[in-house]
Amino acid sequence: EVQLVESGGGLVKPGGSLRLSCAASGFSFSSYTMDWVRQAPGKGLEWVSSISSSSNFIHYADSVKGRFTISRDNAKNSLYLHMDSLRAEDTAVYYCARRQISAAGTRGMDVWGQGTTVTVSS
Amino acid sequence: DIVMTQSPDSLAVSLGERATINCKSSQSVLYSSTNKNYLAWYQQKPGQPPKLLVYWASIRESGVPDRFSGGGSGTDFTLTISSLQAEDVAVYYCQQYYSRGITFGQGTRLEIK
Repeated sequence: EVQLVESGGGLVKPGGSLRLSCAASGFSFSSYTMDWVRQAPGKGLEWVSSISSSSNFIHYADSVKGRFTISRDNAKNSLYLHMDSLRAEDTAVYYCARRQISAAGTRGMDVWGQGTTVTVSS
Repeated sequence: DIVMTQSPDSLAVSLGERATINCKSSQSVLYSSTNKNYLAWYQQKPGQPPKLLVYWASIRESGVPDRFSGGGSGTDFTLTISSLQAEDVAVYYCQQYYSRGITFGQGTRLEIK
């Protein structure tokens, strides 16, 4: 079964750090671009960051640039998001998602995890 | 960043009736080298992650019922549910992946009238 499982969320004080993990199974993880997407309580979806299959191309939303770092370990089938200088507005459910890319181009995010909750509060 | 604007914000439709959601992008998301619109639609039910419904603006993802259809090109897009079922109650999001900074619409909440 194709699956993504996030972990590492929790309660952290403003200015603190946290590292999220996403464990992939059931597919060839090393072949896919991966994304982090977050959703603040009662709000819509916000793309956070993406990383290409070989980590050659990395992009961030302006809202997290310079504070968050995406990485992956293809040998461990794992995706990470290291978050520094956390703010109250970073409070959200964080999802990892697989980006489906074919020969004809990107097709969207076709597999999502259940999410892990990050709460930034004093 | 490309701004995605959905309309309406919420929609109530009777069972069996048609539901149409609109999505407008602040610039074209038509990728000229492939002639494909880099626009997707997602469905999110309470307590669940988003589910991909449509990609390239009009291609249904595998397993998605054929009552869901996507249309449009360039900057204007629609998601249509031809005959609303109870299980279609959800929030729907459009998403552009044309630019490196992916952006979503604000979401449209679909309810039963």
